[in-house]
Amino acid sequence: EAGVTQFPSHSVIEKGQTVTLRCDPISGHDNLYWYRRVMGKEIKFLLHFVKESKQDESGMPNNRFLAERTGGTYSTLKVQPAELEDSGVYFCASSRQGVGAEAFFGQGTRLTVV
Amino acid sequence: GQSLEQPSEVTAVEGAIVQINCTYQTSGFYGLSWYQQHDGGAPTFLSYNGLDGLEETGRFSSFLSRSDSYGYLLLQELQMKDSASYFCAVRDRSSNYQLIWGAGTKLIIKP
Repeated sequence: EAGVTQFPSHSVIEKGQTVTLRCDPISGHDNLYWYRRVMGKEIKFLLHFVKESKQDESGMPNNRFLAERTGGTYSTLKVQPAELEDSGVYFCASSRQGVGAEAFFGQGTRLTVV
Repeated sequence: GQSLEQPSEVTAVEGAIVQINCTYQTSGFYGLSWYQQHDGGAPTFLSYNGLDGLEETGRFSSFLSRSDSYGYLLLQELQMKDSASYFCAVRDRSSNYQLIWGAGTKLIIKP
């Protein structure tokens, strides 16, 4: 069974540009989460999809961030326009239904905004 | 507010036992999870405690005391490959059961 995959693994962009991160969850996992870790700080929740619906987007920092999950399969997280403080590692995770279900993480996308 | 505290760094010797503590403050505690992350890698699930007591999985054990808002991860027979960052994360009812993460503990193992 393939794990959670994220693309790209690294991205370096200039301030003001747009970047789109992609996450492919484990097949059959309804829950999909986006997290971000800024250097040296804790992992912060961004948002949660259940299938194609946004269950909780309370962690999204501002309206420069837009997440979608087409057909309840893969998800994209777009940052437009990117700012310096957006730099960090963006993790995607997926889990089966159920509150305590184990979350499986992707390798993350390291975003650097210069 | 909601917060978790864990030490930023712990050093131990290969073959020894180490305990990583986590204290939390949340309004709707549901359960405590532990994750391991090697440099540049994805966090991987280690254990989950929903009830008080000790959960054992091989060399790793995790403990929870809800009355003390405290848990720990115990690693036995340390191996060099256990060098990683360890995160505690609380699942919280008041936050739609989202995981709230600690800042992570870097475990350094010396031969």
